[in-house]
Amino acid sequence: NAGVTQTPKFRVLKTGQSMTLLCAQDMNHEYMYWYRQDPGMGLRLIHYSVGEGTTAKGEVPDGYNVSRLKKQNFLLGLESAAPSQTSVYFCASSYSASEETQYFGPGTRLLVL
Amino acid sequence: AQSVTQPDIHITVSEGASLELRCNYSYGATPYLFWYVQSPGQGLQLLLKYFSGDTLVQGIKGFEAEFKRSQSSFNLRKPSVHWSDAAEYFCAVGAGSGTYKYIFGTGTRLKVLA
Repeated sequence: NAGVTQTPKFRVLKTGQSMTLLCAQDMNHEYMYWYRQDPGMGLRLIHYSVGEGTTAKGEVPDGYNVSRLKKQNFLLGLESAAPSQTSVYFCASSYSASEETQYFGPGTRLLVL
Repeated sequence: AQSVTQPDIHITVSEGASLELRCNYSYGATPYLFWYVQSPGQGLQLLLKYFSGDTLVQGIKGFEAEFKRSQSSFNLRKPSVHWSDAAEYFCAVGAGSGTYKYIFGTGTRLKVLA
């Protein structure tokens, strides 16, 4: 039982490049989330999904897209990376809504030059 | 608007000393409250959570937290800190049953002196 895994662990991009971050969970959770963590700002929700085939915007969705084609996977895409997207990205999942514990992946550190 | 405040950005304590990390929230109804810990280079791990009932909740690693509705607080405590407790601690509020939303505080970084 791996819990929540994220790929890759670290990536360097040049401005304008694109990439996809992959999150996978093996707990059969319905809800999945993408956060970014920046110094002094805690975690901010980018996008989330309440089930396979659904996605919705969080607090800071601009510049990101997501897809949830399979229940266990939640992909975060950056179509044209900007230096402001340099951050640590965390994926999380939960069985249901906000009363439930969210389980976090180990994070992806992204540097955009 | 809902919010979570962790007023202490950094805290330094000596090993064996007691610890209290503060968390205040702003939320209209009874919130769902969580404390998470993040060790360097790691994801967040749940320490404890409060939904209802006994306002003093016990968590992992010897931590406890007390929900005080009158003070809108959910402070985290540990009677004797170990060097391995050095990490960043996040308080979070689950903003209502059936919603997706967690609101995180900005975190408190704990340093433990040997």
